[in-house]
Amino acid sequence: DAGVTQSPTHLIKTRGQQVTLRCSPISGHKSVSWYQQVLGQGPQFIFQYYEKEERGRGNFPDRFSARQFPNYSSELNVNALLLGDSALYLCASSLVGSDRYFGPGTRLTVT
Amino acid sequence: ELKVEQNPLFLSMQEGKNYTIYCNYSTTSDRLYWYRQDPGKSLESLFVLLSNGAVKQEGRLMASLDTKARLSTLHITAAVHDLSATYFCAVVLVQGNYGQNFVFGPGTRLSVLP
Repeated sequence: DAGVTQSPTHLIKTRGQQVTLRCSPISGHKSVSWYQQVLGQGPQFIFQYYEKEERGRGNFPDRFSARQFPNYSSELNVNALLLGDSALYLCASSLVGSDRYFGPGTRLTVT
Repeated sequence: ELKVEQNPLFLSMQEGKNYTIYCNYSTTSDRLYWYRQDPGKSLESLFVLLSNGAVKQEGRLMASLDTKARLSTLHITAAVHDLSATYFCAVVLVQGNYGQNFVFGPGTRLSVLP
């Protein structure tokens, strides 16, 4: 079975630009969560979606937004990029109330 | 606000030695996870601990949970170089209906030296 997939793998953007990251969950998983991991730190929760509705939000500015599609895939959008947005962005899928399965991540570099 | 602490943050140990990593959290939670992360890679699930007194073992790693003390330990027995990685604990925080997020500790960077 395919695991969680994310695209792109790596991305380089300039300050002020916008970026969209994509995630496909494991088949049958209806919940998708997004995490930001800055180098040398633990992952920080950004959003959780279940059945296409936002179920949780971390302490991130409104520049960060996300959505979940009818096929349960998800996109994370970040507007007006800052240097501090450079990080590994992890997507995790799960059944409700169960273990999280993390994808390989998207490495975003903002210059 | 749920806070998760780990110590030590950095650990350098020799092969064959034993050591314990500690994870403390500030509020009640019903689940705790341990993950391993290799440089530049994603998170690999090691253990999920579901109840007070839970103990799980896999190879040279053993994890335990004391929900009353809000403490989990990850014990390493007879370390080998392949265990070199960063280890994270994560505590589940419930938010509303169907909302659950993981609050991660800062990680313990383990280096096992020959």
